[in-house]
Amino acid sequence: VLTQTSSLSVAPGQTATISCGGDKIENAKVHWYRMKAGQAPVLVVYDDSARPSGSPSRFSGSHFGDTATLTISRVEAEDEAAYYCQLWDSKTDRYAFGSGTQVTVL
Amino acid sequence: QVQLRESGPGIVEPSETLALTCSVSGDSITEYFWSWIRQAPGKGLEWLGYVFYDGSVNYNPSLKARAYMFVDIHKNEVSLSLRSVTAADTALYFCARGRRADISGPFEHWGQGHTVVVSS
Repeated sequence: VLTQTSSLSVAPGQTATISCGGDKIENAKVHWYRMKAGQAPVLVVYDDSARPSGSPSRFSGSHFGDTATLTISRVEAEDEAAYYCQLWDSKTDRYAFGSGTQVTVL
Repeated sequence: QVQLRESGPGIVEPSETLALTCSVSGDSITEYFWSWIRQAPGKGLEWLGYVFYDGSVNYNPSLKARAYMFVDIHKNEVSLSLRSVTAADTALYFCARGRRADISGPFEHWGQGHTVVVSS
């Protein structure tokens, strides 16, 4: 189980910090997705801290021990969405998603 | 640019079999892991399983052996079959492509999703 805070609110221009915790994280690469209602998820950070082409530089990731973090700096209205962490669990041979964090931009 | 598109029925009756196809354009399906992922109403993302281009598969045990996935290299398609469906299988279904030959990589590309409702 990958645990995420269910929701958070942030004002435009501020920083949103989203955590993903669980013992499976320690030895895994963590990926992050942004998902707007009714749309496909979009990869925003992969391999803990790398950004795919097209992902704004406002998105950054980190990973220490059993916690991974997605940081959204200078939050914009378009960042309002659900964010999911995800990894490959090599012990159980399956993919796992976090429970998701709904980010609301005030 | 690779594109994925899911297709199939929008309504499936309880106890019947749900069958979806993911058509891939812009790249070959070889050397990639292809996953099916769903989101039930009001819920998070659930990984259902993957099929590798060579036909090897790995299913989420939560599906209790109801799933079957396969590839058609000639058609460049990936398919999902889920039998004995119930209302709990009502969801938005996605196909997604992993990173080339790297099972631990992210889902780099996704289809737009296909809504399936289980109802009589």
